[in-house]
Amino acid sequence: DAMVIQNPRYQVTQFGKPVTLSCSQTLNHNVMYWYQQKSSQAPKLLFHYYDKDFNNEADTPDNFQSRRPNTSFCFLDIRSPGLGDAAMYLCATSKEGANPYTDTQYFGPGTRLTVL
Amino acid sequence: GDSVTQMEGPVTLSEEAFLTINCTYTATGYPSLFWYVQYPGEGLQLLLKATKADDKGSNKGFEATYRKETTSFHLEKGSVQVSDSAVYFCALSGGGGNKLTFGTGTQLKVEL
Repeated sequence: DAMVIQNPRYQVTQFGKPVTLSCSQTLNHNVMYWYQQKSSQAPKLLFHYYDKDFNNEADTPDNFQSRRPNTSFCFLDIRSPGLGDAAMYLCATSKEGANPYTDTQYFGPGTRLTVL
Repeated sequence: GDSVTQMEGPVTLSEEAFLTINCTYTATGYPSLFWYVQYPGEGLQLLLKATKADDKGSNKGFEATYRKETTSFHLEKGSVQVSDSAVYFCALSGGGGNKLTFGTGTQLKVEL
């Protein structure tokens, strides 16, 4: 089955220690997204790639970076995790059609990040 | 900016009860509207969507109608099951292409 895969499902890191989260997709979608979801809150878009074009949300902290080496993979790098960065990180993909407002986003299972 | 407001949960129902989860939105232009469901420990799954006014999205017995005049997209199901227990997110797409703006989610608990 075509899907969005996130690894690892659970990640524990130490305060200030860089961490990388991984997302891969077999849907061949051209758009990939990273969302941050804190406990009992709505998912919040951090950034997205349209093909190789990177689009950062205005309020995404500089501590968060992303890489997309090819269509299938996208990485989220947190350079110096703080306690406030503990959250579920969701990767999503979509295939942009004629009207991007109508596109469906397909989500992975998420990576739950704990910062000690 | 765009925003989505959902009723606060948790909503607790008995099996076979009628479900309504309210969702209202604020947006410029003509957004598409979505309901996503998140089961425990899993990512979000699309439940249904509607892309223009008066459209009705439906899936697995759930329905929602895009009401532009009341800026609403309420989720309904005639008879809930224990397996419907999850968190339901209302969302809109319209704030800059394909960006999704989510509500805070409503937890549904269905008991026997």
